[in-house]
Amino acid sequence: GAGVSQSPSNKVTEKGKDVELRCDPISGHTALYWYRQSLGQGLEFLIYFQGNSAPDKSGLPSDRFSAERTGGSVSTLTIQRTQQEDSAVYLCASSRQDAVYFGEGSWLTVV
Amino acid sequence: KQEVTQIPAALSVPEGENLVLNCSFTDSAIYNLQWFRQDPGKGLTSLLLIQSSQREQTSGRLNASLDKSSGRSTLYIAASQPGDSATYLCAVPSNAGNNRKLIWGLGTSLAVNP
Repeated sequence: GAGVSQSPSNKVTEKGKDVELRCDPISGHTALYWYRQSLGQGLEFLIYFQGNSAPDKSGLPSDRFSAERTGGSVSTLTIQRTQQEDSAVYLCASSRQDAVYFGEGSWLTVV
Repeated sequence: KQEVTQIPAALSVPEGENLVLNCSFTDSAIYNLQWFRQDPGKGLTSLLLIQSSQREQTSGRLNASLDKSSGRSTLYIAASQPGDSATYLCAVPSNAGNNRKLIWGLGTSLAVNP
């Protein structure tokens, strides 16, 4: 597609359940980022993929969070045993050189 | 450590006004600076990217300037319209290591009143 595509756009889940969020970056973009934005807060870096290099996972808040990127394209962010503080919008972005392009986000609510 | 600050945090203006949003950063060794727009309940839309070697970029009614030495960028919006109402964010890539993650300001929430 023309832009970064994320799914689901909205997810309501019960505390303790696992969730998977998907990101389909712009074709040809080698860099892929996940960010999180909680209500009223700034954007928080989670994880960075660049080509075939090992991902930078330094922003993941706990070991309940993990992400993978298959075939250098689609990425999945997994949150295990969700907690209420995980409620946020999860934004995926991709870039080829300098400009960074974002998806519409996945809005996660943990009840 | 790079820090990005945006002033003002919120701005309300009548339609038709020209306005300036400010962004400052503490480490002048940046690769580029990017301005984004975020509408309520939406993702981020890239507005303008200024490379470190550039002084300004223009797109329609938007003009972004960059002064690396003083650690500042401004986003100028001419003849504002109600449709410009959104949160405007500036960001610079981290220059620590190979991860070009973006360092963000908290944004300026703009309301343009008809």
